[in-house]
Amino acid sequence: AQKVTQAQTEISVVEKEDVTLDCVYETRDTTYYLFWYKQPPSGELVFLIRRNSFDEQNEISGRYSWNFQKSTSSFNFTITASQVVDSAVYFCALRAMFKGGSTLGRLYFGRGTQLTVWP
Amino acid sequence: NAGVTQTPKFRILKIGQSMTLQCTQDMNHNYMYWYRQDPGMGLKLIYYSVGAGITDKGEVPNGYNVSRSTTEDFPLRLELAAPSQTSVYFCASSYSKGGRTNEKLFFGSGTQLSVL
Repeated sequence: AQKVTQAQTEISVVEKEDVTLDCVYETRDTTYYLFWYKQPPSGELVFLIRRNSFDEQNEISGRYSWNFQKSTSSFNFTITASQVVDSAVYFCALRAMFKGGSTLGRLYFGRGTQLTVWP
Repeated sequence: NAGVTQTPKFRILKIGQSMTLQCTQDMNHNYMYWYRQDPGMGLKLIYYSVGAGITDKGEVPNGYNVSRSTTEDFPLRLELAAPSQTSVYFCASSYSKGGRTNEKLFFGSGTQLSVL
């Protein structure tokens, strides 16, 4: 079974603070993908990143960075020098690697973390 | 660029009524999906389609039907609406070629549905 846990329901920070959003996952698959999506107040989900299970290198994109640790089944997301525009709900998601049409698109989402950045 | 367009944005239904949520994409994506998002929860897959004429069930398909007559459109039909179907519905699309999936899902802005 696939399961994604985002223990932090809400986080509030002041602008320019660094913030880390936690994501812990469970899966019996040996190969899988992990994702982060952002859902701003407008409601539309925006893709941020995809990681393969066999690639544990951390990734940095501007103020965003992701720490993938297979040993602890975690895929945490850090925003450096947060800004008000970062305020959104952030979702972590998991999917088994492509085995055929039966698993395609079956992203298992966590409940999301509401991040509020105050000016 | 329009991307994924969903209509309507809001709708209130009475128990037992039916309706169709519309979804269209202009990116020539072959894969399309319907998700629902309940308050405080992650998204759950209702139905998906890998191309025109092909659809399959996701995690929570009961009470819904879909069709995919064209690449662009993927309507979701609710028959006999129930309060448990009160949720926000998201349509999404992605592109895959040669068996390799593109995991970048493009989402619509959602439809807020209340069944009273």
